[in-house]
Amino acid sequence: AQKVTQAQTEISVVEKEDVTLDCVYETRDTTYYLFWYKQPPSGELVFLIRRNSFDEQNEISGRYSWNFQKSTSSFNFTITASQVVDSAVYFCALSSTQGGSEKLVFGKGTKLTVNP
Amino acid sequence: GAGVSQTPSNKVTEKGKYVELRCDPISGHTALYWYRQSLGQGPEFLIYFQGTGAADDSGLPNDRFFAVRPEGSVSTLKIQRTERGDSAVYLCASSLTILETQYFGPGTRLLVL
Repeated sequence: AQKVTQAQTEISVVEKEDVTLDCVYETRDTTYYLFWYKQPPSGELVFLIRRNSFDEQNEISGRYSWNFQKSTSSFNFTITASQVVDSAVYFCALSSTQGGSEKLVFGKGTKLTVNP
Repeated sequence: GAGVSQTPSNKVTEKGKYVELRCDPISGHTALYWYRQSLGQGPEFLIYFQGTGAADDSGLPNDRFFAVRPEGSVSTLKIQRTERGDSAVYLCASSLTILETQYFGPGTRLLVL
């Protein structure tokens, strides 16, 4: 069965601090995708990144970076120099091919609060 | 272009009533998904459509829940004999096709009194 664990329920930082959100996943699929979504207080899930299981290269996009390590089944997300606008709930997700639907299996989310 | 839209944004109903929630996917997207998000939890999969057919309905909790997509675009999630436990945010997502990124709508917040 597919499972995503986000052990950090809530994180609070002060603006300009770096913060890392952890994500550990379980799957028996050999091909899968990993995702991060942001859910601001408005409620809409905003897509951040998708990563193929065959591509372990780290990715950087502005202040955001992602570290994918297959050996530890982790896909961690780091925000550098955090800003108040980064405050949101962040979800890590895994796509499952069970049933042929590519449905997403989400973690419970990490609520990030960035204080001025 | 326009994103995924969902109506209504909020729905309050009484226990035992019937409700319909609508999802309008991104134009041209063939895959459509419904998820349900309870307070403090991540979204949970309900059903997936590829075109007009429900290709995977393994997440529907029971037979009170049903969804259709008759013309391969707009989808309606139908809940019969609502229960207080059905209260949640119902999210719709669409993707260009299977294996592509899913983009989510703003959700419908359902409250069953």
